[in-house]
Amino acid sequence: DAKTTQPPSMDCAEGRAANLPCNHSTISGNEYVYWYRQIHSQGPQYIIHGLKNNETNEMASLIITEDRKSSTLILPHATLRDTAVYYCIVRPKLGGGADGLTFGKGTHLIIQP
Amino acid sequence: NAGVTQTPKFRILKIGQSMTLQCAQDMNHNYMYWYRQDPGMGLKLIYYSVGAGITDKGEVPNGYNVSRSTTEDFPLRLELAAPSQTSVYFCASSYPGGGTEAFFGQGTRLTVV
Repeated sequence: DAKTTQPPSMDCAEGRAANLPCNHSTISGNEYVYWYRQIHSQGPQYIIHGLKNNETNEMASLIITEDRKSSTLILPHATLRDTAVYYCIVRPKLGGGADGLTFGKGTHLIIQP
Repeated sequence: NAGVTQTPKFRILKIGQSMTLQCAQDMNHNYMYWYRQDPGMGLKLIYYSVGAGITDKGEVPNGYNVSRSTTEDFPLRLELAAPSQTSVYFCASSYPGGGTEAFFGQGTRLTVV
């Protein structure tokens, strides 16, 4: 019973913005949207998370639709080092997190030189 | 500040042998997790702990045991290793609550032959 749906793979040219979509149509009001990435079998790395509002940090921006049923992770100027598998995850807000993160297969983003 | 440290990085076991995968974190996180990742797949939760002395099963606990005697350490025990346990194992930790990020170790690559 997948909570999120992501395309299996995407390509992006180096220096361009990479836009990774995620559908989470069954998200509930108390669930955050998280993004992690995994570079070549290393441990997953946190990128960003949000609840309702759009968020930005030094790595990326997260755009959440008004109905919260989908979101987009934006890497503004992709580099070759951004080639990785990107995971979109929903997680309860209050009292949550104890049972861990549910990882799907994610999106394999390939940055082309 | 080392974050989450896993040892060993690599290990080859023979069928029927036992071993303990070590995990330590220095961030004073209450929550700790063990995941496994098979080739081409997302991470699956094996066990988790919300604090010292408290552990609970995740999605795939069979063949594994854990203990949490201190906040810092969360070892994973494999008894009677089987080829199906060949995988990469990741330990993670976080503060309580759904609005916090999880930090992952760099993984232990285990092969059972």
